[in-house]
Amino acid sequence: GAVVSQHPSRVICKSGTSVKIECRSLDFQATTMFWYRQFPKQSLMLMATSNEGSKATYEQGVEKDKFLINHASLTLSTLTVTSAHPEDSSFYICSARAQGAGGYGYTFGSGTRLTVV
Amino acid sequence: RKEVEQDPGPFNVPEGATVAFNCTYSNSASQSFFWYRQDCRKEPKLLMSVYSSGNEDGRFTAQLNRASQYISLLIRDSKLSDSATYLCVVSPASGGSYIPTFGRGTSLIVHP
Repeated sequence: GAVVSQHPSRVICKSGTSVKIECRSLDFQATTMFWYRQFPKQSLMLMATSNEGSKATYEQGVEKDKFLINHASLTLSTLTVTSAHPEDSSFYICSARAQGAGGYGYTFGSGTRLTVV
Repeated sequence: RKEVEQDPGPFNVPEGATVAFNCTYSNSASQSFFWYRQDCRKEPKLLMSVYSSGNEDGRFTAQLNRASQYISLLIRDSKLSDSATYLCVVSPASGGSYIPTFGRGTSLIVHP
């Protein structure tokens, strides 16, 4: 089945620093990847849609200058949280769907738990 | 009305019970439907796709009712390990670039 690798799985950083999260599709090419954020006991919230070779599409209310997305290849998308603050602490998850996947559905990375102190 | 709606629960059931979740969606053009399972502090994992003819995987049965725009998940003979949040996911098409819409999830607690 389709596999998406995400790392780091956990990161603790100081307020004001930047954190980069990587998401790789291991056995398929992903022209589109999705980035989500999930706060405790809440549902997944789509932040942006990452498109290979073009600019990401951000959801309303998500600051594109704060959450930088780069999708430079068909197997890698990165999310950089710039000048992180404690309110950015959350669970960040990427997702992609293999083309022609049929019943495979959307595959998720294992998530990155970000804590900003 | 939200695009995808689920009863958040929690559904608290004893081991061995049968439990059913429903999920309604508003976009009649939706083409792909899934149930995901999410354990606490983990990423969602695909439980099963939902087909028009309905499909079964062991103790789990999923069904789609296009006319009424809902999908269902039935879990028979519940196990303690079934305790999790079950997410309904709907997509407008089968391609990988179409944004899926997630329900808020239904929490299931199976107790001894």
